[in-house]
Amino acid sequence: IAGITQAPTSQILAAGRRMTLRCTQDMRHNAMYWYRQDLGLGLRLIHYSNTAGTTGKGEVPDGYSVSRANTDDFPLTLASAVPSQTSVYFCASSDSYGAQGTGELFFGEGSRLTVL
Amino acid sequence: AQRVTQPEKLLSVFKGAPVELKCNYSYSGSPELFWYVQYSRQRLQLLLRHISRESIKGFTADLNKGETSFHLKKPFAQEEDSAMYYCALLWGGKLIFGQGTELSVKP
Repeated sequence: IAGITQAPTSQILAAGRRMTLRCTQDMRHNAMYWYRQDLGLGLRLIHYSNTAGTTGKGEVPDGYSVSRANTDDFPLTLASAVPSQTSVYFCASSDSYGAQGTGELFFGEGSRLTVL
Repeated sequence: AQRVTQPEKLLSVFKGAPVELKCNYSYSGSPELFWYVQYSRQRLQLLLRHISRESIKGFTADLNKGETSFHLKKPFAQEEDSAMYYCALLWGGKLIFGQGTELSVKP
């Protein structure tokens, strides 16, 4: 099925370990995003990328890094995981951004991460 | 700062009852607002956007600039409407989401 694929679906991780959440899209969308979903806090933007080769910080970027080497892939890395990073992580994409942004995002199924 | 507030974490109604999910925003310009929905075991998806002025699955939402609100309404709730609903504001090409409201429609 075309769209966004995230991996892993679920992961339990020891604090201090490095973890990369993978995100791949096949819609040739320019913009990609990483959100974390926490009960009572909604979805908060971690990092985004408007086009391949560029990235930007969102609302809660600390402890996370991203790269956008090509259009399709947008991995999110936790260099040294901490328990407060326990969350559900959603990758999303959009065919437009900035002033031309339509606000329609296409989401992946999410990656549930537990840091112990 | 730009902000979206959904005051209700959980809204529980009976089938056939009217439903209103509240959303208030903080934004100095002309807002572009959206409602997203996440059904159980499904992906988060766009429900409707205010500029379209459309009704999707019986839901409507009217932008009230005076009250800075964008409440989602449906006159007769159905069990299949049970889901997590997020209000969102488009700012700088990025979406700012509210805290979400879980709607539970009981038979």
